[in-house]
Amino acid sequence: QQQVKQSPQSLIVQKGGISIINCAYENTAFDYFPWYQQFPGKGPALLIAIRPDVSEKKEGRFTISFNKSAKQFSLHIMDSQPGDSATYFCAASMLAGTYKYIFGTGTRLKVLA
Amino acid sequence: ETGVTQSPTHLIKTRGQQVTLRCSSQSGHNTVSWYQQALGQGPQFIFQYYREEENGRGNFPPRFSGLQFPNYSSELNVNALELDDSALYLCASSLFSSGNTGELFFGEGSRLTVL
Repeated sequence: QQQVKQSPQSLIVQKGGISIINCAYENTAFDYFPWYQQFPGKGPALLIAIRPDVSEKKEGRFTISFNKSAKQFSLHIMDSQPGDSATYFCAASMLAGTYKYIFGTGTRLKVLA
Repeated sequence: ETGVTQSPTHLIKTRGQQVTLRCSSQSGHNTVSWYQQALGQGPQFIFQYYREEENGRGNFPPRFSGLQFPNYSSELNVNALELDDSALYLCASSLFSSGNTGELFFGEGSRLTVL
């Protein structure tokens, strides 16, 4: 019930292409879904986040699509660039009480120049 | 605005030893969370501190303990180290208040190797 399943484990995309990473959750009490980007040797950095009252959120080249009935959400990176090469983690949390985040297992993205 | 800083960045211990990791939270934040990130895995919640008290704990044994100080900085202590404790330990700070999104700001972590 507390798991967040993330796929794929790794992804190779050509420069300019679209990168898509998917996550699924079980606990319907989750009400905050952030995506984090992590470069080697660095801590995770918040990329974009969504709440379940909207189906899509866009910030620059990054878009989250959210399907509440399917309990799934995805990150789309448009016009992928070599600088986007990093590991991406989805997460889920409940805003009330402890801000405990449940993270997915990560997707290692490589964008080829 | 100062971000989350952690020390030390790397350390090596032997099995059975004890370790203390330190974290200074981002300016204006009052809550500190600790996460363990094993190689190739997502971060796993250890515990959170708010107002110098533990405010939630993940599935970690009691030999993982912590402190939060009046200036909101924090320590993570691990006793009786085991080989499986080898990981990147991440500190994250946030502002706990009504209506806040609970956005976590992570430090760069402390890489612990247990031999």
